[in-house]
Amino acid sequence: SQELEQSPQSLIVQEGKNLTINCTSSKTLYGLYWYKQKYGEGLIFLMMLQKGGEEKSHEKITAKLDEKKQQSSLHITASQPSHAGIYLCGADRSKYNYGQNFVFGPGTRLSVLP
Amino acid sequence: DSGVTQTPKHLITATGQRVTLRCSPRSGDLSVYWYQQSLDQGLQFLIQYYNGEERAKGNILERFSAQQFPDLHSELNLSSLELGDSALYFCASSGGQGTIYFGEGSWLTVV
Repeated sequence: SQELEQSPQSLIVQEGKNLTINCTSSKTLYGLYWYKQKYGEGLIFLMMLQKGGEEKSHEKITAKLDEKKQQSSLHITASQPSHAGIYLCGADRSKYNYGQNFVFGPGTRLSVLP
Repeated sequence: DSGVTQTPKHLITATGQRVTLRCSPRSGDLSVYWYQQSLDQGLQFLIQYYNGEERAKGNILERFSAQQFPDLHSELNLSSLELGDSALYFCASSGGQGTIYFGEGSWLTVV
């Protein structure tokens, strides 16, 4: 089973609608990252959250990390076709080692209908 | 643009062959990571280098090897290629802050 679970697996929304993607772990995470990937392209770093309760926003995207640092949500307000893609959450399982203890969720495929 | 450059972007080769994927990290980043993304396995960590030395190994096959050069660029060598090696190979780099930035990937198709 995946160490990081994401829901929903896929999402189709009408342009202008709000949406939320969730990322859940059974273990404490030391760094929670959100990436966006357009099919076959690179991963674009969106945000990183480290502290419990932390919330960050960039343009119309807001990410939150819960107090226990086991769950994160990514919220998109007034979605646009440019938001379409696969959203991946990734996390450090170790406090001091980056990269090699990094795990990814399975991704959420977002389609935005014009 | 993440600042991480990978070449080639696409590569088609035959089974049994050997290929080399190249990665230039972001300026100043000492750590380079290689990941493999396939449809059924998702993103898998292969190997990490830090300032020229191997730091950690993940699910990297013995047929695969990597190195990081003094100028910090890295190469991933894939040999005796099999059909199942077809995947998107990502390079990523990080500096002191820990945030990992990914390149656009190299699409490898083994036929």
